[in-house]
Amino acid sequence: QVQLQESGPGLVKPSETLSLTCTVSGGSISSYYWSWIRQPAGKGLEWIGRMYTSGSANYNPSLKSRVTMSVDTSKNQLSLKLSSVTAADTAVYYCVRGYYDSSGYYDWFETWGQGTLVTVSS
Amino acid sequence: DIVMTQSPDSLAVTLGERATINCKSSQSVLYNSNNKNYLAWYQQKPGQPPRLLIHWASTRESGVPDRFSGSGSGTDFTLTISSLQAEDVAVYYCQQYYSTPPAFGQGTKVEIK
Repeated sequence: QVQLQESGPGLVKPSETLSLTCTVSGGSISSYYWSWIRQPAGKGLEWIGRMYTSGSANYNPSLKSRVTMSVDTSKNQLSLKLSSVTAADTAVYYCVRGYYDSSGYYDWFETWGQGTLVTVSS
Repeated sequence: DIVMTQSPDSLAVTLGERATINCKSSQSVLYNSNNKNYLAWYQQKPGQPPRLLIHWASTRESGVPDRFSGSGSGTDFTLTISSLQAEDVAVYYCQQYYSTPPAFGQGTKVEIK
């Protein structure tokens, strides 16, 4: 069964770039769409964007100007970069896998990492 | 963007009684070409990531107890827990995947009365 593990600095200074990695184990990273979702403490879920292993990506318009996602298939890893962070970017960040079968890809999220808390503070 | 709105924000239910959560989308998530509603439900317990319960508005994931059921079509959906158990205490979210960006409701907290 595929497992996802997020990693990265837990503390980022305002105006700097948040960088996270998601390591996929127990299965191939290929032929799936991978998304990042975040959740501020005590609040709801916000989709950040998705990336296919070909390198194509789609981002939430609310964050598009600050987000970059990439994939390293040789390492079975995904990465997320969010630039010019503020306190509003403080959240638990989840790496998730969408659903794919012969009929297509669907953005329901069946596999989640445990999440990593990122705090933006000086 | 499609906006998802859940009601109520919280509810307290007696053990063994029914819990009902509503979810409304700002536009239809029914895809006419396949007659499927692009709506999922999740359960999130404290300190854990969300767990997918239902997709296509009413299809339960493997391993999800049959006391959980989803219904509705178009813009109005319901998650029902037919007989609330102690382990069902959680926050529940609906989510549309009809269009990008996929969007979640604000969550409904279910507690024991």
